Amino acid sequence: EAQVTQNPRYLITVTGKKLTVTCSQNMNHEYMSWYRQDPGLGLRQIYYSMNVEVTDKGDVPEGYKVSRKEKRNFPLILESPSPNQTSLYFCASSLVGRQNSNQPQHFGDGTRLSIL
Amino acid sequence: AQSVAQPEDQVNVAEGNPLTVKCTYSVSGNPYLFWYVQYPNRGLQFLLKYITGDNLVKGSYGFEAEFNKSQTSFHLKKPSALVSDSALYFCAVRDIPNNAGNMLTFGGGTRLMVKP
Repeated sequence: EAQVTQNPRYLITVTGKKLTVTCSQNMNHEYMSWYRQDPGLGLRQIYYSMNVEVTDKGDVPEGYKVSRKEKRNFPLILESPSPNQTSLYFCASSLVGRQNSNQPQHFGDGTRLSIL
Repeated sequence: AQSVAQPEDQVNVAEGNPLTVKCTYSVSGNPYLFWYVQYPNRGLQFLLKYITGDNLVKGSYGFEAEFNKSQTSFHLKKPSALVSDSALYFCAVRDIPNNAGNMLTFGGGTRLMVKP
């Protein structure tokens, strides 16, 4: 089954304690992206990756890091989490190229982070 | 730059009645437009898209959307609402050909409540 898998689904932690949210897709997609969802703000892009070892900032990258060492994985790293990073996070993937630009993104089920 | 507006935070409709969830967009090029639905504790699921051609597009679960270029709108519609349609709906746009990647810009979301 084609899917995007995020772990953990829920996490409560404290300010300053480094954490990583993993994302894995089994569709051989080149493009992967992280979003955060906050009430009334919709989804805002944090970082995205067009392929292995190619990453770029989205609209709200401050306080986050990513890596893309393998095509299927795109972890989101919070080196020193703060309470304003409490949010619902989604990973998504899709194919790239103009011939695929009309294709929808596939989303994981989300990770709810609470930073105390 | 691309942007999306969903002017209603919530739409209430009685079961069996028609529903409309509004979306307007702004792009500098030609838009690809998408609707996604989010059920509780789940990621976003693709509903339908407009790429080109017929302005009325049909999607999953009986939903359809009408593209109106002069009004820069892409409203989501369904002739007869079901209680199970209650969810959070997101409109998204991708600006073609000015999009450096597969970036999607999302609206703030509209919560649809269908009452029996």
